[in-house]
Amino acid sequence: QVQLQESGPGLAKPAETLSLTCTVSGYSINRGYYWGWIRQPPGKGLEWIASIFHSGSTYYNPSLKSRVTISVNTSKNQFSLKLSSVTAADTAVYYCTREGVKYCTGSICSRDEDYWGQGTLVTVSS
Amino acid sequence: QSVLTQPPSASGTPGQRVTISCSGSSSNIGSETVNWYQQLPGTAPKLLIYSTYQRPSGVPDRFSGSKSGTSASLAISGLQSEDEADYYCAAWDDSLKGWLFGGGTKLTVL
Repeated sequence: QVQLQESGPGLAKPAETLSLTCTVSGYSINRGYYWGWIRQPPGKGLEWIASIFHSGSTYYNPSLKSRVTISVNTSKNQFSLKLSSVTAADTAVYYCTREGVKYCTGSICSRDEDYWGQGTLVTVSS
Repeated sequence: QSVLTQPPSASGTPGQRVTISCSGSSSNIGSETVNWYQQLPGTAPKLLIYSTYQRPSGVPDRFSGSKSGTSASLAISGLQSEDEADYYCAAWDDSLKGWLFGGGTKLTVL
């Protein structure tokens, strides 16, 4: 069973760079799947941030793209998120995920289950 | 503002059947599968429905998903007090090349 665990500082100062790491167990990142980050500000909804394939192929949320870097370290079976120039609006619980892969038979497509970490709260404050 | 539109709230009494809608467009729900998540207070979202209709192991068959055109629905039958939670829909968007989430629906069991 794949398990994901987020780690990183729980506090970041305004204008600094927030850095988080997701450690994956029970599955080798090298075997495939897209790996991603999602966040949830306190009392608000979910927002997708970015996704990365083990080969390094990436997708970014356009609204955050200029500030976000996602990377993968297959030797440590980890992937990471960096968010620069943070403000109070970036205060959120950050979740790492293994996204469900899409597969199609003819015109019929399906997607398998995704998996989430338990999340880590990052507060941006001076 | 979320691109997938959900009602902010829904309610029902124990034993009732409730549905939660999720409206999108041709680039997401219209052409992709839909996931539904249940989030209890203070916990991570839990996958409830994936690939529009499928339930992960351990999810009761009281929960079911459906889709028609650019809208999807989550149905909960035999409503129980422990179903009181926030529910989110999600779908990949082919134009955005990214994941979209609904704004969430707070379900209250009266």
